[in-house]
Parts: sequence; C-alpha cells; structure tokens
Amino acid sequence: DTEVTQTPKHLVMGMTNKKSLKCEQHMGHRAMYWYKQKAKKPPELMFVYSYEKLSINESVPSRFSPECPNSSLLNLHLHALQPEDSALYLCASRVTTGDAYEQYFGPGTRLTVT
Amino acid sequence: DQQVKQNSPSLSVQEGRISILNCDYTNSMFDYFLWYKKYPAEGPTFLISISSIKDKNEDGRFTVFLNKSAKHLSLHIVPSQPGDSAVYFCAANSGYALNFGKGTSLLVTP
Repeated sequence: DTEVTQTPKHLVMGMTNKKSLKCEQHMGHRAMYWYKQKAKKPPELMFVYSYEKLSINESVPSRFSPECPNSSLLNLHLHALQPEDSALYLCASRVTTGDAYEQYFGPGTRLTVT
Repeated sequence: DQQVKQNSPSLSVQEGRISILNCDYTNSMFDYFLWYKKYPAEGPTFLISISSIKDKNEDGRFTVFLNKSAKHLSLHIVPSQPGDSAVYFCAANSGYALNFGKGTSLLVTP
C-alpha cells in the first residue's frame, strides 16, 4: 500500500478565513512533505517533517503553518491567504531508512483563494 | 538555479512506438533519480527510479537509463499506450529533498 490521502479535495476560501489541509499515510514513513504546485510547473517544496519535527522550511510565508501531530498525520493551517496562493497543495511521504528515496504523493487539495 | 532540466516541454508519439523522455542534471552529488507521471489536478505518481551506482533499471514497459559521465538520464516507454499521455517529471534526490525538472508533456496518439 503506497497511499497518501488528503482532505479536502477542493477548498475555496476568502482572504480572511482560517482553514486547514489534512494529510494521512499509514506506510510507516517518518518523513512527510508539503508541496505547492501551480499549473504547468513542477512541485515546489514548502516544508519537510522528519520524525515529527520540522526539518526544512523553504522560506514559506507565515500565513502557512504546518503541524505534525503524529507520525501518520500532517496538517497545513492556512490564514490570511492571498489570491496568488491559489494552487494544488500536495502532501508526500518517504521512508527514512535504507537507500530508497521514493516520495509518494497524495492526490492534492485544489485551493482557490478569493 | 535549475539543477534538473527537461529541455523538451512536449513530445508526441504514436501508439505502439517508443517514447523517450530526456533529463539532464548539473549536480554531481545527486545519488538517486526518479520519474513521476502526473495527470491534471492529481498528485504525481511514482513510476521508476535508479540509483547512481546503476546505469539501467527496468520495470515492465518502463526503463530508465543513467549516464553519469554525461549527467543525463532518459525514460523509455515501450510500447507507448494512449493512457501514458501525461506530464512526466524527472527528479533527483538530495538529502531529504527532491529537485524536479519542469516536466515533459507526452501525448500518445492512436
């Protein structure tokens, strides 16, 4: 099983709203990721969690706040977003042992900021 | 600075023929390379990978070739099928992060 699930599938929010994106995996992976993807562009790394600790923050604005409550869950809290933040938000996970580096992606949350 | 480059934005191939997607990289420290397939509005799907200590890896219709001296890898799909039509991303591993190319849009025509 290489499934990463994400909810919601679609989200429309105003610039003053607070919302959260959720990601879950049950593969026992201890590295989890948030990416942002705009149309016709490659995924752009936002955050990396390793063993539930934030290890990489790619200079993401503070209106995006990640959280890793446990080894299976990853959240992305959104507050005061801008219309240019509209994108597909992808979660991924990966093993942290051995020499396998495949990241498995979820289906994404299509976010529209109005 | 783009360390992984896919110089062909698009490729069209007839069904049954071979599709060859190319990827170049600049960082000799990359130790693992991956190909992902992506349909619109979906997450990327892992296809095949190769370690830098190998020069070929095969999985069914998909084969990845790595030429370390040229810093070049390619994905071969044989035979190509209409369902293969998607955007293909090449990626290189560096620590915990993946460096993605900009993608090649493959269209397989009947």
